[in-house]
Amino acid sequence: QKEVEQDPGPLSVPEGAIVSLNCTYSNSAFQYFMWYRQYSRKGPELLMYTYSSGNKEDGRFTAQVDKSSKYISLFIRDSQPSDSATYLCAMSQRGSTLGRLYFGRGTQLTVWP
Amino acid sequence: GAVVSQHPSRVICKSGTSVKIECRSLDFQATTMFWYRQFPKQSLMLMATSNEGSKATYEQGVEKDKFLINHASLTLSTLTVTSAHPEDSSFYICSAREPGRSTEAFFGQGTRLTVV
Repeated sequence: QKEVEQDPGPLSVPEGAIVSLNCTYSNSAFQYFMWYRQYSRKGPELLMYTYSSGNKEDGRFTAQVDKSSKYISLFIRDSQPSDSATYLCAMSQRGSTLGRLYFGRGTQLTVWP
Repeated sequence: GAVVSQHPSRVICKSGTSVKIECRSLDFQATTMFWYRQFPKQSLMLMATSNEGSKATYEQGVEKDKFLINHASLTLSTLTVTSAHPEDSSFYICSAREPGRSTEAFFGQGTRLTVV
């Protein structure tokens, strides 16, 4: 079993829709949770960063972490065609491996006008 | 956010030659940088952790003699793919962590390597 599981999609939604992206994980030591957006042939760009359980909101984006279920989500409200990209979840644990990220496979999202 | 610059963005080389990829942190000092490899429609796979002033730590299955990493300064790490083969063709991405900012990692733009 991979440490981080993410449905690769593809996911296609109309403009204005609410998008829900999810990841599950198996390592209970993960404490830091991130969402990255990656456009084709570009490096990942950090979108959201959350420590431990809870919700975090930034504009149209909301990140949720449920450590009891080992489940994290990213919601995109009022989705735009410019949101079309691959979304990668990533997580890390405290300690000497600080900075070492474990990535999901990425979900390819297309928002059509 | 912090800026990480990677160069070149694209390179085509012949089989048997070596290719060097540079990763620079532009506005902070990075004691640790990470090198990833990404195949089409796949996730980022960590290849190695580069530590300034010491030897890199390679992930299991990554040939350290083939993928040479040098982290000679606090702002520069290089990855050299030696004796490249077509199966080395991939997207290589570096990242760096800004000290004091927990585990947030910032990524370079990536390098598309094609070996012909």
